[in-house]
Amino acid sequence: SQQGEEDPQALSIQEGENATMNCSYKTSINNLQWYRQNSGRGLVHLILIRSNEREKHSGRLRVTLDTSKKSSSLLITASRAADTASYFCATVRYGNNRLAFGKGNQVVVIP
Amino acid sequence: DVKVTQSSRYLVKRTGEKVFLECVQDMDHENMFWYRQDPGLGLRLIYFSYDVKMKEKGDIPEGYSVSREKKERFSLILESASTNQTSMYLCASSDGDRGNYGYTFGSGTRLTVV
Repeated sequence: SQQGEEDPQALSIQEGENATMNCSYKTSINNLQWYRQNSGRGLVHLILIRSNEREKHSGRLRVTLDTSKKSSSLLITASRAADTASYFCATVRYGNNRLAFGKGNQVVVIP
Repeated sequence: DVKVTQSSRYLVKRTGEKVFLECVQDMDHENMFWYRQDPGLGLRLIYFSYDVKMKEKGDIPEGYSVSREKKERFSLILESASTNQTSMYLCASSDGDRGNYGYTFGSGTRLTVV
């Protein structure tokens, strides 16, 4: 099944810096979603961007989508220690209503 | 606050036991899903349901079954637990037009089969 693939796998940054994660996918999609998972917990939905959208903002989050390159990026601005988590991208393919997840990015924000 | 509740955070079962993992959502969502999460493999879809009494296989249904007798409850059943089913199990639900809304996840059940 189709999967998003995040890059890089692990990121360590200082509090206040920006964190950027990338995700690529293989086939045409309906939408792409980003989730956060704190250690040992369930996933929390952050943002959804549809295939006809190029950029979306939510608070300190900025997501871009480039369907021609089949890629997305998640930017977290002015990071905080509480942003330490794993971040997953997930895609929904046209005609298939299920989320397919990437393997996740570990982000550590150092106070 | 909307919620997906999984009945247990941690569970230890013996090989060969029949195991029930329960999931309840209070959002009147139509769609419910069971994933398992393993290091290096990410989240993989086991089963999902779009309506009461309806179920569809995901990517890794072998060794599992599900039950959805009521809209708010979706149960995952391990017919005969094996050690390779040791994993984190995550339940999720979503509303309406399938795939067009974000999923709400439960906190997960970490199952160990010994």
